[in-house]
Amino acid sequence: DTAVSQTPKYLVTQMGNDKSIKCEQNLGHDTMYWYKQDSKKFLKIMFSYNNKELIINETVPNRFSPKSPDKAHLNLHINSLELGDSAVYFCASSRGGNRANEQFFGPGTRLTVL
Amino acid sequence: KQEVTQIPAALSVPEGENLVLNCSFTDSAIYNLQWFRQDPGKGLTSLLLIQSSQREQTSGRLNASLDKSSGRSTLYIAASQPGDSATYLCAVDGNNRLAFGKGNQVVVIP
Repeated sequence: DTAVSQTPKYLVTQMGNDKSIKCEQNLGHDTMYWYKQDSKKFLKIMFSYNNKELIINETVPNRFSPKSPDKAHLNLHINSLELGDSAVYFCASSRGGNRANEQFFGPGTRLTVL
Repeated sequence: KQEVTQIPAALSVPEGENLVLNCSFTDSAIYNLQWFRQDPGKGLTSLLLIQSSQREQTSGRLNASLDKSSGRSTLYIAASQPGDSATYLCAVDGNNRLAFGKGNQVVVIP
């Protein structure tokens, strides 16, 4: 039944490691997003994909690489993790095309870098 | 660059009182405005979406207004309940990306 799902829910890792977060939506949406919520709870967009094409890259370090194998999936791979990458990462989706569309969010992945 | 401000940052009200949460944004060229609810340690739940051509949206006890020209939105929650305790986030959609405020943290006291 879950509309937007993310795995894992929690991720604890050492500095310098590489990790991936997966996102899937079963809403039939065309557009998917990654957002980062920092320790002060401030949410900021990182990437947006429309029909597997990157349309927004919000000055995110190139250690972060999103990958969209198909319209229903948008994964986030992070290389050489740093302490400052610790945050909650949210995936979202919307119908796209028509810009008045509502965005639906996943439950988030809490990443802790030690 | 769009900046979204939410006031007050935190508030506590006794159960039964109406809640008024304010959101302001600097760039009025928006496509829509969305209000979300976030519970501690959880994701975001969409409450209401107001398209740029609309003035308000209602869902149950919730009513959100939008004044695009002055860059303001207000979320009203009638007859608050303890279950309304959460952080409420305002997000403005301009150019296919949401710009968020920092939220209104609400506690409803039984």
